[in-house]
Amino acid sequence: ETGVTQSPTHLIKTRGQQVTLRCSSQSGHNTVSWYQQALGQGPQFIFQYYREEENGRGNFPPRFSGLQFPNYSSELNVNALELDDSALYLCASSRQGGDTEAFFGQGTRLTVV
Amino acid sequence: QKEVEQDPGPLSVPEGAIVSLNCTYSNSAFQYFMWYRQYSRKGPELLMYTYSSGNKEDGRFTAQVDKSSKYISLFIRDSQPSDSATYLCAMLNGGKLIFGQGTELSVKP
Repeated sequence: ETGVTQSPTHLIKTRGQQVTLRCSSQSGHNTVSWYQQALGQGPQFIFQYYREEENGRGNFPPRFSGLQFPNYSSELNVNALELDDSALYLCASSRQGGDTEAFFGQGTRLTVV
Repeated sequence: QKEVEQDPGPLSVPEGAIVSLNCTYSNSAFQYFMWYRQYSRKGPELLMYTYSSGNKEDGRFTAQVDKSSKYISLFIRDSQPSDSATYLCAMLNGGKLIFGQGTELSVKP
């Protein structure tokens, strides 16, 4: 098991609602990346936070936003949920942005109905 | 065209077989190549990574990179039922990982 924990593990939301997902990074890691994994697909990069600043963003709309706290834990917020947002959301922590060894949490399974 | 292509399978083999998993990619600037294993309802777990071209071995697992062909492989020797999982190739591009679709592997006793 990695030291990366995500909460909640599952949740169900209604289209149009907002959701906040949380991630605690591994001790000693100051970089958190978020990925979206649709069923049967590989994870897709949403964005990365390094020392509380956004450090790169993938091809996701602005309603996907994030935050990193001084203890390097992180939140992913999604506004105006759409059905296509249903996916496994993964958080990965690493010592720095280009680190080859990123450790993933178990993910949050989001279902939008 | 996706930056990383991976045959999704599913792939079913008998216990003890040699498994070959492959990915192709389009960006010749990629230098770091990873293989992750993902069990059902879990996050991906890093198996191994390779820098540039060449081979890397770790126990029953061997990773190969052929940059001239933009082709990477993962071989699993003496496959076990516990190897049943989805295998994801990934490339490091700046600070982000670019994943293939994943290959679902089932090893039958």
